[in-house]
Amino acid sequence: GQNIDQPTEMTATEGAIVQINCTYQTSGFNGLFWYQQHAGEAPTFLSYNVLDGLEEKGRFSSFLSRSKGYSYLLLKELQMKDSASYLCAVTSQVGYSTLTFGKGTMLLVSP
Amino acid sequence: DAEITQSPRHKITETGRQVTLACHQTWNHNNMFWYRQDLGHGLRLIHYSYGVQDTNKGEVSDGYSVSRSNTEDLPLTLESAASSQTSVYFCASSAGQGRSYEQYFGPGTRLTVT
Repeated sequence: GQNIDQPTEMTATEGAIVQINCTYQTSGFNGLFWYQQHAGEAPTFLSYNVLDGLEEKGRFSSFLSRSKGYSYLLLKELQMKDSASYLCAVTSQVGYSTLTFGKGTMLLVSP
Repeated sequence: DAEITQSPRHKITETGRQVTLACHQTWNHNNMFWYRQDLGHGLRLIHYSYGVQDTNKGEVSDGYSVSRSNTEDLPLTLESAASSQTSVYFCASSAGQGRSYEQYFGPGTRLTVT
């Protein structure tokens, strides 16, 4: 079975830094995705981690520790448009393509 | 540009009716997926396909069916709609290897069963 946990809601201020955590327990692990989803819209890809360490892409970075079953998404220089839900998802079988999603973290950025 | 589309975008139907939601992708991806998204549950996998004539059940497949007759389309059928199937439905596709596990999502269909 698979279990993915992330906080339900977070709030932050424009210009600040926020870290969204995700812990997972899976029977086999291949890689971890972060998606962003604005209200009423489709999820869009942010990052993919398969090896331990930090992946940086502009204002967004994602970290993975396979041994701890832990990842985080780091958002810097927050903007109002970053208010969205952030979804953590894992692929659990090498060679297969299904994703299991966490319930998502709703981030509210205030002025 | 390649894309993935869903139709209709909004649908209201009555309990007991059969409903089909369309999904069409021009990425030429082998893998296609159907999810439902509900408050408190996140995205849950209904059915998926790894290629033509291949279909597989996901976490919440009861009451749903799919068929894959070509690469581009994976229609989702609700055999006899129930109020519990009121949800937002997302279709997605992926190429399927390594970084290509990334799934591209359609815009979603909001289905209401009255």
